[in-house]
Amino acid sequence: NAGVMQNPRHLVRRRGQEARLRCSPMKGHSHVYWYRQLPEEGLKFMVYLQKENIIDESGMPKERFSAEFPKEGPSILRIQQVVRGDSAAYFCASSPRLAGATDTQYFGPGTRLTVL
Amino acid sequence: DAKTTQPTSMDCAEGRAANLPCNHSTISGNEYVYWYRQIHSQGPQYIIHGLKNNETNEMASLIITEDRKSSTLILPHATLRDTAVYYCIVPSSGGSNYKLTFGKGTLLTVNP
Repeated sequence: NAGVMQNPRHLVRRRGQEARLRCSPMKGHSHVYWYRQLPEEGLKFMVYLQKENIIDESGMPKERFSAEFPKEGPSILRIQQVVRGDSAAYFCASSPRLAGATDTQYFGPGTRLTVL
Repeated sequence: DAKTTQPTSMDCAEGRAANLPCNHSTISGNEYVYWYRQIHSQGPQYIIHGLKNNETNEMASLIITEDRKSSTLILPHATLRDTAVYYCIVPSSGGSNYKLTFGKGTLLTVNP
């Protein structure tokens, strides 16, 4: 059973460009969570999605960031007009049901975004 | 999430048991204790979780005190590949308990 897959693993963008990060959850998992890890900091929750629905985006910046999890295909985290402060590692996690007391989140290897 | 307190760093000799403590004195009765680790430049890896009983799997054992205010993660025979930051997390029992809060964790260094 393949784990959570993310691509690209490394992404370099110039200021003002767009960044698209993709996440394929584990087989059978329909809940996806995105986290961001700034340098020397812990992971911070950004958004929680189910298929075709954004359930909680309370951790996502209001401007320039968006996320989707279409019926078919991977979940996408999109950052428009990137700035240097967006440089971070972005991790995706998935769970078979709503993660909480007993439903574990399994993480992917992350995408490291560098904004020049 | 209930607040957790962990030592900043620990050292362990290869082949010996690594015992990583975590305090979670404000934990509620139905909140679980989760442990993850993050090896440098990788995604967090789930290790184990428990409610009140001690738990064991192929990676580690989790010992939770009777009052549930603290727990210890035990790696029975640490190897160099166990060097990582270990996070003790108590997701809240409220509606948003899917939001995992990763604090500073404990940097475990396994020495040859």
